[in-house]
Amino acid sequence: DIQMTQSPSTLSASIGDKVTITCRASQSITNWLAWYQQRPGTAPKLLIYRASNLAGGVPSRFSGSGSGTEFTLTISGLQPDDFATYYCQQYNNFPLTFGGGTKVEVK
Amino acid sequence: QVHLVQSGAEVKRPGSSVKVSCKASGGTFSTSAVTWVRQAPGQGLEWMGGIIPTSGSTRYAQIFQARVTITADESTSTSYMELRSLRSDDTAIYYCARVTAGGMGYMDVWGKGTTVTVSP
Repeated sequence: DIQMTQSPSTLSASIGDKVTITCRASQSITNWLAWYQQRPGTAPKLLIYRASNLAGGVPSRFSGSGSGTEFTLTISGLQPDDFATYYCQQYNNFPLTFGGGTKVEVK
Repeated sequence: QVHLVQSGAEVKRPGSSVKVSCKASGGTFSTSAVTWVRQAPGQGLEWMGGIIPTSGSTRYAQIFQARVTITADESTSTSYMELRSLRSDDTAIYYCARVTAGGMGYMDVWGKGTTVTVSP
C-alpha cells in the first residue's frame, strides 16, 4: 500500500496568512493526488485534483503543486472559512489512501 | 447536479451487521464509480472499497475484505455498503462518494455521512 504522510499535523495561522501543507507519498504517484477540505461536522470537499487542478467553485487562493512523491497545498491569504482539516489522497494505486490530515487552527 | 443522499444513523450491537444506503439524487451514477470511506471519531479518512455500478465490479481494502460487501442497484441509482461482525471500533461516520476514473480516482461528490454506533 502507498503511505501518505502529511505535515504538519496541526498548523496555527491568522487571517491573511499564506499557509503551506506538505504531503509525501511512500512511492511515486506521478500526479495522481487530490486534496480535500473538511470542516467540523461536515463531509470532505474536493479542492484540488491531479495535484494542481482546482475543482469547480473552489476559490483561487487555493493552489496545489508537486509530482512524484512530494506535494504541497497552499492557501494564499487565509480566510475565516479556511480553518478546517485538510487531507491528501493518492489515486495511483489501489487501495486508495489518505494522509493523516492537517488541522489549520486559529493562532 | 448529482447529490448523494445517505440513510439515517444506526445503533448496532457487537457481532451484528449494518447496511447503509447511498442514493444519487438529481442524476444517476452514470459511468462513475461509488466509493465508501469511513471516519472514526476524531480520526482521519479510511477508504473501504468501491463499485462500478454499470458492471458491478468491486474493489475492497484488504482490512475490510472479509466483512464488507458493496453493491449497487442501477435502476434506483443506489449503492449499499454492508459491514458484518461489527465491533466497537467500527463506530464511525460512513461516507459514500462518487469517484472518477472507474473507481481509481478522486472523490468529487460526497454524501453527508451516516453515523454508525456499535454499542453493547
